[in-house]
Amino acid sequence: DSGVTQTPKHLITATGQRVTLRCSPRSGDLSVYWYQQSLDQGLQFLIQYYNGEERAKGNILERFSAQQFPDLHSELNLSSLELGDSALYFCASSVGQGGSEAFFGQGTRLTVV
Amino acid sequence: GENVGLHLPTLSVQEGDNSIINCAYSNSASDYFIWYKQESGKGPQFIIDIRSNMDKRQGQRVTVLLNKTVKHLSLQIAATQPGDSAVYFCAENISGNQFYFGTGTSLTVIP
Repeated sequence: DSGVTQTPKHLITATGQRVTLRCSPRSGDLSVYWYQQSLDQGLQFLIQYYNGEERAKGNILERFSAQQFPDLHSELNLSSLELGDSALYFCASSVGQGGSEAFFGQGTRLTVV
Repeated sequence: GENVGLHLPTLSVQEGDNSIINCAYSNSASDYFIWYKQESGKGPQFIIDIRSNMDKRQGQRVTVLLNKTVKHLSLQIAATQPGDSAVYFCAENISGNQFYFGTGTSLTVIP
């Protein structure tokens, strides 16, 4: 158990809908990272927050957004969902802002139908 | 598993043999590298890391080698066990906050 908790574990929704994925980082970790893992793209970095502020942005679509709350948990919001958004979404956390080991959650499997 | 359909390099080894998994990274400015193991249905799990000021680092049954000249990383697993079967990713960290993951190598250990 990495100490990173993601909910829900599975999510099935229709195209055009909006969903929110939730992540609780390990105790003491200030950074939260979101990754998308799809069959044809591998593991893609989406975005990072550190202590409530956005720190880095990767290949995140404009339809997607994230935030980190004062209690350090994070949410990834996916809107206007398309079939191609079906993927595993992982959250990871680390103590510092970067350049250190990140611990991954078990992921949320999103299926868009 | 999660990577079915993705054209992953594959490696099959007999139980007890040593495994070598290779990774080419793209950015010469990358200064920190991590190897992750991902078992089916689970998130990536840290195995070992290495910083760019080192050529080699050893852990328990694992060794990572870094060749900065050719931008190449390798993971050596000694006495491979069935529990080592998984997809292995190398991740590079360009000094900053982002890790870029390779496509992964699927390791199958034959009992």
